[in-house]
Order: sequence, then C-alpha cells, then structure tokens
Amino acid sequence: GQSLEQPSEVTAVEGAIVQINCTYQTSGFYGLSWYQQHDGGAPTFLSYNGLDGLEETGRFSSFLSRSDSYGYLLLQELQMKDSASYFCAVRSGATNKLIFGTGTLLAVQP
Amino acid sequence: NAGVTQTPKFQVLKTGQSMTLQCAQDMNHNSMYWYRQDPGMGLRLIYYSASEGTTDKGEVPNGYNVSRLNKREFSLRLESAAPSQTSVYFCASSSRQGRADTQYFGPGTRLTVL
Repeated sequence: GQSLEQPSEVTAVEGAIVQINCTYQTSGFYGLSWYQQHDGGAPTFLSYNGLDGLEETGRFSSFLSRSDSYGYLLLQELQMKDSASYFCAVRSGATNKLIFGTGTLLAVQP
Repeated sequence: NAGVTQTPKFQVLKTGQSMTLQCAQDMNHNSMYWYRQDPGMGLRLIYYSASEGTTDKGEVPNGYNVSRLNKREFSLRLESAAPSQTSVYFCASSSRQGRADTQYFGPGTRLTVL
C-alpha cells in the first residue's frame, strides 16, 4: 500500500522560513506533489518533484530524496497569507491518481 | 475559463435521501476525480475517470456511484445518504498530456446528512 506522513501543525512568524516534511511509502514511485489549501477553499497545486533535488518557484521550494523516501516544502519570507494547510501527495502507480497525506496546518504569526 | 465548477455549493439531506453532485470542467482534461475531505483529514479518492467512458474505484467508493457523462462532466451520486457521508466533496481534473500530478480542484460541495 501507500502512505504519507507529515506533521499535523507548524507555527512560524512572519518573515521567517519554515520547512514542512513528508515521508512516504509507495509501491513504485512516480513523483511527489505539494498542494495548498486555505480554510474553506479548494486545494491548489504548488510544486512537483519527479527527480531528486530542489525545485524553486518564487518563495516556495520543494525538495525530494527518492533514496530516503522523503521530501519537504520550504516556504521563505513567510507572509500572513501563507497560513493554510499543506498536503504532500504521491501518484498511485502508473496512473493519474494521487494519494494525499493528512496535511500540515501552518499558522503564521505576526 | 471557469476551470472546474461544482453544484450545489451546500446541501443538507436526511438519512436515506438521494442526490447527485455535479461537476464540469472546461479545460479539455481527460481525467476527472471525486474526493471527500473530512475535518482535519486529507483528501480521500472516491472514484476517478481516466478518460471519457471509463470509471474506477478509489479508496472509499462504498455508498457512491459515478457517471462520466462526457469529457466535460463527471457526476457523483449518493443513492441512500448516511450521516457518515457528511463531508466536503471536491471534484478535480487533470490532463494526461500535462504533468500528471497537477490536479485542478473545484470549489467543493459541503454536504450534511442528518
């Protein structure tokens, strides 16, 4: 089967850097994705890693180590609007299906 | 483009009632999905459709049926609603030609079963 683990909550202050970790167990690996969801809203795509290394998109970066079955999302220069839930997700086999983690609630404090 | 749209936004049902949740996308995507999200939980896949004319079960299909009416529309039906089906339901779509992990979500339907 497949499972993902990520911390349930993280708190940080405005302007700081925060890292949200995700470890996964999969039967076959086809990439790790990150989604953001504001309270009451729909999930939106943030980042995808298919290979080892760092992907950068503005203030957000995502890292993957396939040998460690581990990835993280790095948020820099935190802003109040970054307060949201962040989900890691892996593909289920060679299909387009995603298996989501239970999410990390990020609270950004002034 | 509207992206992914869902109707209704809110619904209250009594136990045993039936209803259909509607979803449509205008991005010409091949794959469509139905998820449910319970408080403090991640998204769990109910059913998905890899392409028009095909559907397959996800993690939690019991109590639901789906119809891929055409490439644009994918509906979810609850035949006999139960309180355990109280949840937020999200529809999503993705393109096979694009990055397979990029799913686009609708705004959700908040369903309460009494």
